[in-house]
Amino acid sequence: GAVVSQHPSWVICKSGTSVKIECRSLDFQATTMFWYRQFPKQSLMLMATSNEGSKATYEQGVEKDKFLINHASLTLSTLTVTSAHPEDSSFYICSAPGGRTGGYNEQFFGPGTRLTVL
Amino acid sequence: AQRVTQPEKLLSVFKGAPVELKCNYSYSGSPELFWYVQYSRQRLQLLLRHISRESIKGFTADLNKGETSFHLKKPFAQEEDSAMYYCALSGLNQAGTALIFGKGTTLSVSS
Repeated sequence: GAVVSQHPSWVICKSGTSVKIECRSLDFQATTMFWYRQFPKQSLMLMATSNEGSKATYEQGVEKDKFLINHASLTLSTLTVTSAHPEDSSFYICSAPGGRTGGYNEQFFGPGTRLTVL
Repeated sequence: AQRVTQPEKLLSVFKGAPVELKCNYSYSGSPELFWYVQYSRQRLQLLLRHISRESIKGFTADLNKGETSFHLKKPFAQEEDSAMYYCALSGLNQAGTALIFGKGTTLSVSS
């Protein structure tokens, strides 16, 4: 099946610094990717939709200047957490739709990136 | 409003017991329903989807439009079924759209 990777798998940074997280579709192209945030033992909350060649679409309540998204190519989307603060500490997960394989809206998820801001 | 509700945060059962993880949804159009599973320290992966009406690892789920439910069932739980289970929703025939997730239910199967 299709594979989505994320890098890094975990990162620790100081408050006030910026952190970049990469999401790659390894064996398929994705014009759209999704970024989710997951708090411990809680659901995945959609943050934004990353669109190749155009601006990302952010969900209500998500600061676009805080969470910069760049969809540089058909296989890469990046999420940059700018001026990170401890409250930004979370598990960030990306996903990419693999097309309607067999008629289904199937999505493939990355392994996630654990961000800890000190 | 589009919403997925999983009322149980935790479900603990003994090995061999039947399991039912509840999922109810609210969607204005025709929905496409999924169950995703997340084993410890692993990525989220698709377990099954309502359209295919398949059984994966002994799990089944039937879409009940009247009750707007998509409960996940397994007649005999195994210890390796212990994981976090998420019910998810998207619009039917809306390829490439984001999924709406429920809050998840942790299934713990003990011997």
